[in-house]
Amino acid sequence: AQSVTQPDIHITVSEGASLELRCNYSYGATPYLFWYVQSPGQGLQLLLKYFSGDTLVQGIKGFEAEFKRSQSSFNLRKPSVHWSDAAEYFCAVGAWMDSSYKLIFGSGTRLLVRP
Amino acid sequence: DAGVIQSPRHEVTEMGQEVTLRCKPISGHNSLFWYRQTMMRGLELLIYFNNNVPIDDSGMPEDRFSAKMPNASFSTLKIQPSEPRDSAVYFCASSTFVGTSGNLYEQYFGPGTRLTVT
Repeated sequence: AQSVTQPDIHITVSEGASLELRCNYSYGATPYLFWYVQSPGQGLQLLLKYFSGDTLVQGIKGFEAEFKRSQSSFNLRKPSVHWSDAAEYFCAVGAWMDSSYKLIFGSGTRLLVRP
Repeated sequence: DAGVIQSPRHEVTEMGQEVTLRCKPISGHNSLFWYRQTMMRGLELLIYFNNNVPIDDSGMPEDRFSAKMPNASFSTLKIQPSEPRDSAVYFCASSTFVGTSGNLYEQYFGPGTRLTVT
């Protein structure tokens, strides 16, 4: 069955430090992959997406993610975290299920940033 | 573009009352999605429409929930009667979708409606 796993519920990093949020998916075909960010009280905002081509994709706010087919992963990275990056991050895969196309979301990783 | 618009942003109601949530998708988008977010269950897809037609409503929890999309610029999610366990944040999202063999592009989310049923 198609699924998305974000193994880290919470991550705390210091401002200025690098960040990597993990995402693993289970899907039989070539996946469409997304990372969204949700600030408190807000909707989800798309950070970046992977459909095909270059496996390293750049997104907004200085984020990037790398698609690794062999590891079924799509980890999100940022070289230097800012306090404003504190939010919840969701990985998602676009998948065909029961003849309809859906986004399947992971459970999210909450990022805390230490000053 | 104003993005996806949802109203109301907050709704507090008593158990048994009817609740109607509203959504205006981004102009030109032909797919619309209703999600529910809770701490326990995370983000759940309730229903989605393509070209105003409901495609998949398998996520609608009970017959108390219903959704309509009378035209390309408006959708409603109704709960009748409401129950305390319906308390959640309800998101609407829209996207473009090119047929059954095409790509589903990224979804754009509204700010959500926080529903509290007492």
